[in-house]
Amino acid sequence: DGGITQSPKYLFRKEGQNVTLSCEQNLNHDAMYWYRQDPGQGLRLIYYSQIVNDFQKGDIAEGYSVSREKKESFPLTVTSAQKNPTAFYLCASSINRGSNYGYTFGSGTRLTVV
Amino acid sequence: QKEVEQNSGPLSVPEGAIASLNCTYSDRGSQSFFWYRQYSGKSPELIMFIYSNGDKEDGRFTAQLNKASQYVSLLIRDSQPSDSATYLCAVWTGNQFYFGTGTSLTVIP
Repeated sequence: DGGITQSPKYLFRKEGQNVTLSCEQNLNHDAMYWYRQDPGQGLRLIYYSQIVNDFQKGDIAEGYSVSREKKESFPLTVTSAQKNPTAFYLCASSINRGSNYGYTFGSGTRLTVV
Repeated sequence: QKEVEQNSGPLSVPEGAIASLNCTYSDRGSQSFFWYRQYSGKSPELIMFIYSNGDKEDGRFTAQLNKASQYVSLLIRDSQPSDSATYLCAVWTGNQFYFGTGTSLTVIP
């Protein structure tokens, strides 16, 4: 079955530590996205990528980094510069950036700072 | 002003009633409109999309769009306890998706 796989489901980060969230899709979608969801704030765009080896900052990119070396994969690194990383992180994909068909979301990663 | 606004709720309806969820958006040039359902602790899933003014029906769900009023709504007929979730409105402006903060719906058996 086609879909988006995020891992891990739960992740704990210590102060000053970088962590990487995995996102893999087998939908053959060109565009991929990372969102952060906090209670009462809805979804906020961190980064997006329209094609391999290209990505753009979203609204809240500070403290995060991404790569897009393969069409199927779009990992997100939460760096130590992100001071409030505790949130629910969602990866999504669409056929292309201009798609009218909405997004397919992964199951999410819940990151907690310990 | 937020790009997409929704009443956060919570909205409670009895089982079998019609639930009405509302959303307004600020970009008059917005092109397409989506409703996602999100169960607690889970990721959003697409349930409806609408591009043209008027109504679009899919089973118990009806999406309504009024571009002149910049208003989109979702009606859920014969509400079931399994419909209890947060409903996110999303708008594609032609450049970016914007999501509302969601409306929490509880269907009371």
